[in-house]
Amino acid sequence: DAGVIQSPRHEVTEMGQEVTLRCKPISGHDYLFWYRQTMMRGLELLIYFNNNVPIDDSGMPEDRFSAKMPNASFSTLKIQPSEPRDSAVYFCASRQGWNSNQPQHFGDGTRLSIL
Amino acid sequence: QQPVQSPQAVILREGEDAVINCSSSKALYSVHWYRQKHGEAPVFLMILLKGGEQKGHEKISASFNEKKQQSSLYLTASQLSYSGTYFCGTDHNTDKLIFGTGTRLQVFP
Repeated sequence: DAGVIQSPRHEVTEMGQEVTLRCKPISGHDYLFWYRQTMMRGLELLIYFNNNVPIDDSGMPEDRFSAKMPNASFSTLKIQPSEPRDSAVYFCASRQGWNSNQPQHFGDGTRLSIL
Repeated sequence: QQPVQSPQAVILREGEDAVINCSSSKALYSVHWYRQKHGEAPVFLMILLKGGEQKGHEKISASFNEKKQQSSLYLTASQLSYSGTYFCGTDHNTDKLIFGTGTRLQVFP
């Protein structure tokens, strides 16, 4: 089976530009998570969806960040306008079922650099 | 709320053992362990469920102490391939994980 697919793998853009990160979860998985990873803050949960519905977006840094999941096989994370402090690796992960006995499967991540 | 991992970093020679600890200030329902190699995604290792169950994966095993709200990861006879950053993710009976800050493990020949 294909794993979680993220695109692009790398993104370099100038401050103020809109950035869109994409994620295709594993087929049949009903949970989708967006994480941001930096040296200073580690792996932070930004938002997660269950059955395409956003459940908890308390980790979204500010209004410049938004996420959608229009269907079970696609999600986007958008930053507008982007700032240098948004530079990080963004991971998408998916999971089938409730937390306790199911692993999360991570995509390869998008390495984002805002100049 | 973020679980605390210790030590922050470990340096080993091949064949040596290591223990990584993960402690939470909140009651734990389960603990998940992941390993991330440099430039790659975190990869799932194992889940420890409430009840103190000990699980194993190759020469890597883990325990879960519910009373102490902590889990420990044991790496026995380490191999070069064990190098990476190890994360625990704690589950507090919700449908999300809270990840610790990670423990960087380096194994040298």
